[in-house]
Amino acid sequence: QVKLLQSGAALVKPGASVKMSCKASGYTFTDYWVSWVKQSHGKSLEWIGEIYPNSGATNFNEKFKGKATLTVDKSTSTAYMELSRLTSEDSAIYYCTRYDYGGYSHHYWGQGVMVTVSS
Amino acid sequence: DIVLTQSPATLSVTPGESVSLSCRASQGISTSIHWYQQKSNESPRLLIKYASQSISGIPSRFSGSGSGTDFTLSINRVESEDFSVYYCQQSYSLPRTFGGGTKLELK
Repeated sequence: QVKLLQSGAALVKPGASVKMSCKASGYTFTDYWVSWVKQSHGKSLEWIGEIYPNSGATNFNEKFKGKATLTVDKSTSTAYMELSRLTSEDSAIYYCTRYDYGGYSHHYWGQGVMVTVSS
Repeated sequence: DIVLTQSPATLSVTPGESVSLSCRASQGISTSIHWYQQKSNESPRLLIKYASQSISGIPSRFSGSGSGTDFTLSINRVESEDFSVYYCQQSYSLPRTFGGGTKLELK
């Protein structure tokens, strides 16, 4: 079965960067886009961007350009997101997702990574 | 960006009632709308894709309808496990956007 296993919670200082991982299993990693979604405490969901592991092609929400960097390691079926120049506004839960076959509904979700930005 | 407006923000119901949750898009998006349920401290779960297509493993009391700008998620006879937050999301154009959510709570 499809699983997305994300890395653990992170406590980071303002101005620093954080890199989180999303290890995929149960399907051919290179066949599906992986997307990333932000959820601030008590708030709705924001789409950050997506990456196609086979080619490395990416699409981003303009709001997160310069903030988020998406990469993959095909050898380990792992997607990564790095967030830079962190502020308190970046404190949130970050989910990786995989779209459904042939479409762009977020069918599979990781368990989420809680990032806390604090000095 | 396409804005999705969900209403109501909160819906108070008793188990056994049937409910309809609304999602309105700021421009026409055909049937490129998807619905999610999020329980407290859990990841969202896909309920309905492309406005009305069912998802394997999701109870049949959940159904979706609509096209263009107006969409509805219906729950036939709400059960206690259904009290949570529901989000719509569009995949018609980038950036993919979500609605603000509707909280279904126990009356």
